[in-house]
Amino acid sequence: AQKITQTQPGMFVQEKEAVTLDCTYDTSDPSYGLFWYKQPSSGEMIFLIYQGSYDQQNATEGRYSLNFQKARKSANLVISASQLGDSAMYFCAMREGLSSGGSYIPTFGRGTSLIVHP
Amino acid sequence: DSGVTQTPKHLITATGQRVTLRCSPRSGDLSVYWYQQSLDQGLQFLIQYYNGEERAKGNILERFSAQQFPDLHSELNLSSLELGDSALYFCASSALGQIKQFFGPGTRLTVL
Repeated sequence: AQKITQTQPGMFVQEKEAVTLDCTYDTSDPSYGLFWYKQPSSGEMIFLIYQGSYDQQNATEGRYSLNFQKARKSANLVISASQLGDSAMYFCAMREGLSSGGSYIPTFGRGTSLIVHP
Repeated sequence: DSGVTQTPKHLITATGQRVTLRCSPRSGDLSVYWYQQSLDQGLQFLIQYYNGEERAKGNILERFSAQQFPDLHSELNLSSLELGDSALYFCASSALGQIKQFFGPGTRLTVL
């Protein structure tokens, strides 16, 4: 079974509007965390936001917020006031506890392509 | 700029050849991770090193190997290359136990 599912291969949004990118996850580990990364056409992976399973409040970083619903196992990314520069691929990822090497190894979804129209 | 550097940016080679990709982590980060991003497999974790030692292994082929040197830079060696090895290879770094990983700009490998 897929651990991270991003069901929207592509999304379009008008500049200055808000957009929600969906992410659902599957884990039985009580300690886990969800990430969102942005990959513009230039190729680099840019960290946007993170939320751990025990965090009480939804994470926010500037225009990015994570709508975390544990019961539904969803961790949607909300981008407010979209800008042209937000056009990119967006990846949801999950880490489950510590690896044997003492690190967090994330599993990535297949991504959602976001295009912001002027 | 994440502080992680990767060279070369692009690499074009032929099937059967061997290549080496290089990564320098952020200053102070002891952990280095290698990922492969391809159209059919998505972004896959390959291997992690911490302070010169292998710490975790993912979907890394036997034809691939990596190492981390005393100055903490890392190299990913890909041998007997096949067309399907064409992909974007990322290096990321973090401090041990740190959740956030900082990704380099990637090396785009094309196998002809």
